[in-house]
Amino acid sequence: AQSVTQLGSHVSVSEGALVLLRCNYSSSVPPYLFWYVQYPNQGLQLLLKYTTGATLVKGINGFEAEFKKSETSFHLTKPSAHMSDAAEYFCAVSEEEGGSYIPTFGRGTSLIVHP
Amino acid sequence: ETGVTQSPTHLIKTRGQQVTLRCSSQSGHNTVSWYQQALGQGPQFIFQYYREEENGRGNFPPRFSGLQFPNYSSELNVNALELDDSALYLCASSLASRNYGYTFGSGTRLTVV
Repeated sequence: AQSVTQLGSHVSVSEGALVLLRCNYSSSVPPYLFWYVQYPNQGLQLLLKYTTGATLVKGINGFEAEFKKSETSFHLTKPSAHMSDAAEYFCAVSEEEGGSYIPTFGRGTSLIVHP
Repeated sequence: ETGVTQSPTHLIKTRGQQVTLRCSSQSGHNTVSWYQQALGQGPQFIFQYYREEENGRGNFPPRFSGLQFPNYSSELNVNALELDDSALYLCASSLASRNYGYTFGSGTRLTVV
């Protein structure tokens, strides 16, 4: 069974500082991994995904994540935080099962950006 | 390319009532999934529909049911509403056999009083 653990329900950074949001997963097969962002009162928007190939994945808005199989991690980073990055971030994992892919989401990390 | 649209955006119902939520999938997508997101939580998988058949279900009671139509739009029905059903209900569409991630709608905020 697949599962996701996001370390830290809240992360607070200053504008311009490095953003690091942590995600560890559990999967019985090679996983597909995703990061989504959710702004207040909105749905989830896909930031980036790892399926196969290069382990460093670049996404939208300057975010990137690195798949580390040995650490079962898929941490999200951004070199310099912007005020507009304040939102809820969700890590998700999915496996192929019976021809379908159903992602399991973590509990989310709220990113707070201070001026 | 149209995205996923959900209706209504907000809804208030009384405990014991029934509710129907609607979702139009993104153009070209043939799979629809529904998620429940309680306040401060991550989305919880309710069920998924492909070719008008349910092909995956999370840990939700049978009073949560759904439909998918030939045009790939979908409905989520909840009977005998309980206070704990208050949540944001998210619809997501995808293309079966392509695990490229889901496209989510903005959700329906259901409040049960």
